[in-house]
Amino acid sequence: GQNIDQPTEMTATEGAIVQINCTYQTSGFNGLFWYQQHAGEAPTFLSYNVLDGLEEKGRFSSFLSRSKGYSYLLLKELQMKDSASYLCAVRGDNQGGKLIFGQGTELSVKP
Amino acid sequence: DTGVSQDPRHKITKRGQNVTFRCDPISEHNRLYWYRQTLGQGPEFLTYFQNEAQLEKSRLLSDRFSAERPKGSFSTLEIQRTEQGDSAMYLCASSLAAASYEQYFGPGTRLTVT
Repeated sequence: GQNIDQPTEMTATEGAIVQINCTYQTSGFNGLFWYQQHAGEAPTFLSYNVLDGLEEKGRFSSFLSRSKGYSYLLLKELQMKDSASYLCAVRGDNQGGKLIFGQGTELSVKP
Repeated sequence: DTGVSQDPRHKITKRGQNVTFRCDPISEHNRLYWYRQTLGQGPEFLTYFQNEAQLEKSRLLSDRFSAERPKGSFSTLEIQRTEQGDSAMYLCASSLAAASYEQYFGPGTRLTVT
């Protein structure tokens, strides 16, 4: 089966660092994506990992360990506007590119 | 605006009625995906097209659902004989045809079946 797990909710303070974890079990693996989704809006792309290691993009970094079926998204210097749902998604072994999403982690940033 | 667009943004319908949604992808993208999202959940894959060919359908897509992409550009998703369980946000996404390319999502159509 296909399963992607991430925490339902997290709370952090403005200016701090937060790490959102994602574990996955899929029939194949062809890349892991992180998306940000504000309430009532479309998901927007944050990062893509296909090889093990850390990808950094400004305040956001994403890490992947394929052997452990594990990824995390690291958000630094948190801002109030970072309050959103963060979706972990895996592209499986098919060539079609469909994404299998976790349920999302609702992050609340407090002053 | 050169992003993915969807129409309508909101649809309220009575149980048993048929509804049709439209998606216009980014013009150079040859892959188009439909997902469904309910409150507090991540998007669930429904179906996808490469150009005009529908290449995969989820088991979630019952016989009441049909999707088309007649000229390889815009796509429509029709739900026949709607049920209350069909109430959800229907998201469309498009991408280039390579594994590394991200999918760009449209704003979604929120369907409420009363």
